[in-house]
Formats: sequence, structure tokens, C-alpha cells
Amino acid sequence: GAVVSQHPSWVICKSGTSVKIECRSLDFQATTMFWYRQFPKQSLMLMATSNEGSKATYEQGVEKDKFLINHASLTLSTLTVTSAHPEDSSFYICSASGTRQDTQYFGPGTRLTVL
Amino acid sequence: GENVEQHPSTLSVQEGDSAVIKCTYSDSASNYFPWYKQELGKRPQLIIDIRSNVGEKKDQRIAVTLNKTAKHFSLHITETQPEDSAVYFCAAIGNSGGSNYKLTFGKGTLLTVNP
Repeated sequence: GAVVSQHPSWVICKSGTSVKIECRSLDFQATTMFWYRQFPKQSLMLMATSNEGSKATYEQGVEKDKFLINHASLTLSTLTVTSAHPEDSSFYICSASGTRQDTQYFGPGTRLTVL
Repeated sequence: GENVEQHPSTLSVQEGDSAVIKCTYSDSASNYFPWYKQELGKRPQLIIDIRSNVGEKKDQRIAVTLNKTAKHFSLHITETQPEDSAVYFCAAIGNSGGSNYKLTFGKGTLLTVNP
């Protein structure tokens, strides 16, 4: 149980285009979903937290107009990187928590490369 | 907010030896401390966790200790095997009156187990 999927697993795009990443909880209802970014050889940095039906809460320094987060249902959250640039290239990982709010289940991650 | 420090950043041991990774946290309200193992390009995997009402927890070759007074916790791996080689992250989570339980990660420890 407690499986979280992400799609796509990797994506390559041109600078200036937008990319959407989906995060799904497959066998539980995710009241809260989290989006992380991980640069090579670095730790996971929380970008934003979203609750179903509410606006996302962004961490300091994360541009909310650039990283659009939608959490329209209890099983799906999306992250859209708008006008992507090479410096946005990173490993994006989502996680989800259900009834046990302090336990997060991680998705497999999405490798984004912006050319 | 919470700040988690992790040491060492790299650790190399011989197969069969023990490995110890230490973390400190700053927020006395934090009450849940998970440890994750992450292999290259993959999602973090929860390997063990401890809550603030417990001082020690063990699962086969892995153990975690928590000292709330000193605000530090440690991961102990005994009888290390080459497949234990990975990056290990400590994390802390607490609910300081908010509705979301945010994980704060340490910077990670690259563990190499030499055959």
C-alpha cells in the first residue's frame, strides 16, 4: 500500500517552454502533497506544500508564478514549470501524506532537463 | 524554522564494519525523525524512524537513537554490506501549530561499503 507515482519519469524540453509533472497517490487519499527539488549531490529541498482544494504554500525563495501547483483532487497534484530555463534542470520529487500526517510517501521522481 | 545538520558528509567503511551517521536539529517541537536511503536517481526510501517518546529503535541491522535533551539523533548500521552503499538522509518533522507536517532534511551522507 501507500504507492505514489509520478509522470513523466524524465523530460527534456527547450528553454522557454512549460512542463507539467503529475503526482498521483494510487491507493490512498492524499490530503497533503509536497513538491521537492533535488540538485545533483544535494539534499531534497521543499518547494511547496499543497492541500486538496486549497492554494499551495510556497517555501521562501520559490517563485509561485514560475512553479504552478494544482491539487484538484485527493489523488492528483500537478507541478507546472513555466518558461523553463536551464537552471531549472533538476530532479523533482513529490510526496503525499494521508491520514497519518507525519508520514510521507515519495514518488519516483522526474528528471527535468532544459536545453 | 527547523534546521537539521548531518555528519559526516561522506563515510567509507569496510564490509562487516559498523557505520554511524549523526544529526542534530534545532526545533524542540520536532517530534518525528525518519531516516531515508536514496540510491542514485531513485526516490528516498524510509528505512527507519523514531518518535520523540522513544529513545531507541532497532530493526535488524539498523538502529536509531534519539536524545531529545541534546536534540540529536543517530543512525547505526551494523555488519555493513556493499548493498548498503547509498546516500542517507536524516530528517525532522514537527507541527508547530500549523496544519502541515513539513520534513526538513539533512544534507546527506554518502556511505560507501568496500568489499
